[in-house]
Order: sequence, then C-alpha cells, then structure tokens
Amino acid sequence: NAGVTQTPKFRILKIGQSMTLQCTQDMNHNYMYWYRQDPGMGLKLIYYSVGAGITDKGEVPNGYNVSRSTTEDFPLRLELAAPSQTSVYFCASIVQGLYTGELFFGEGSRLTVL
Amino acid sequence: GQNIDQPTEMTATEGAIVQINCTYQTSGFNGLFWYQQHAGEAPTFLSYNVLDGLEEKGRFSSFLSRSKGYSYLLLKELQMKDSASYLCALPTSGTYKYIFGTGTRLKVLA
Repeated sequence: NAGVTQTPKFRILKIGQSMTLQCTQDMNHNYMYWYRQDPGMGLKLIYYSVGAGITDKGEVPNGYNVSRSTTEDFPLRLELAAPSQTSVYFCASIVQGLYTGELFFGEGSRLTVL
Repeated sequence: GQNIDQPTEMTATEGAIVQINCTYQTSGFNGLFWYQQHAGEAPTFLSYNVLDGLEEKGRFSSFLSRSKGYSYLLLKELQMKDSASYLCALPTSGTYKYIFGTGTRLKVLA
C-alpha cells in the first residue's frame, strides 16, 4: 500500500517556466489537499478537493491551478514560476468523515525557482 | 474566519515535561488535531480532540477547552527524538478547509 505519492521530489525551475506536481493516492480517499511550507513556517493551504470534479481555493491559491479528474489523482500546476513559489509542497488526503480522520501526507516536493 | 496561534520555539531538557499551547478562533468547531513534523519530513498525526478534556496516548497527551479556544500538547519523559515541530490544525466548518497553525519548534537538549 503506497499511500500518498508525490513526484518529483526535487525540482529547480527558472523564472517563468511552468510545471506540474503530481499527487496520487491509492486509499480511495475523497478529500485531497495541496499545502506549501516555507522554511521555518507552518503549512499554508493552496487548493483542496472533496471529490472528482470538485476543487476549491485555499488560503494561498494565486499562481497555482489544480484539477481532479479521478479520485486518485490531484495534480498542482504552476503556470509562470516566480521566486516566491520556492517552497516545499505537500499533498495530503483524508478518508470520508473529515472531522474524525487524520490527514495522510506525501513525502513532499521541494521546488526552487531561480 | 479562522486564526490559530502557537509559540514559535521552545526548548526543554531530556527527561522533562513540556507543554505546547495552541489558541484558536473559529466560527464552527469540529475538532482539533496535533501533528508532529521532523525536519525534512512530512507531518504525521499525533492526536485529535473534539470534546473538552484530556486525551492520553502514551507519553503524549492533548487537552482541549472549547469555551476558551485553547488546546495544549503535553510531552512527558522527553527524548532527543522528540525534537521536531508540533503543528496544531483545525478543519473548518462547512468548507472542508483544513488549516494549520505556524507550528512550534521544540528542541530537546541532553
């Protein structure tokens, strides 16, 4: 059982480039989340999804886009990378029953924009 | 809106007891979570409180007071491996947003 899988684990981008961070979970979880974590800080919610075809903005959505075509996959798209997007990105999922279950996290994707 | 506050850093000695506080403001309460995060790793679940009182789980306990908007994580018999960040988190009511505090970095000294 793989849990939540994120790729790539590390990436360096040039300013203005675009890329997609992939996230896949094999636990049949309805809810999925993308967070970013800047050095020494907590997690900030970028986007979340409560099921296939349904997504919504979190606390810091600007500069990002998401899609949820299947229950398993929740990719995060950066269209025009900026140095302010240098961060560690975590994908997470939770089983239905949001208020009693804990989040399962992927290992993170470390992105540097130069 | 929602707001979560935690101290930025704490230091304690191996074998001691430490209490990490979390205060929050939320329009609808649906439980409070604590996560542990070691440097360079993903957060992992520690505890969940939805009713007032103390939940004990081995060396870790978590307390909740809904009327005061206050929770704490109590770590007993500190070990070096407890050096980590401890994150307080709330799922918001009606929106499914799961919001984290800034986290408390705990350093355990020998």
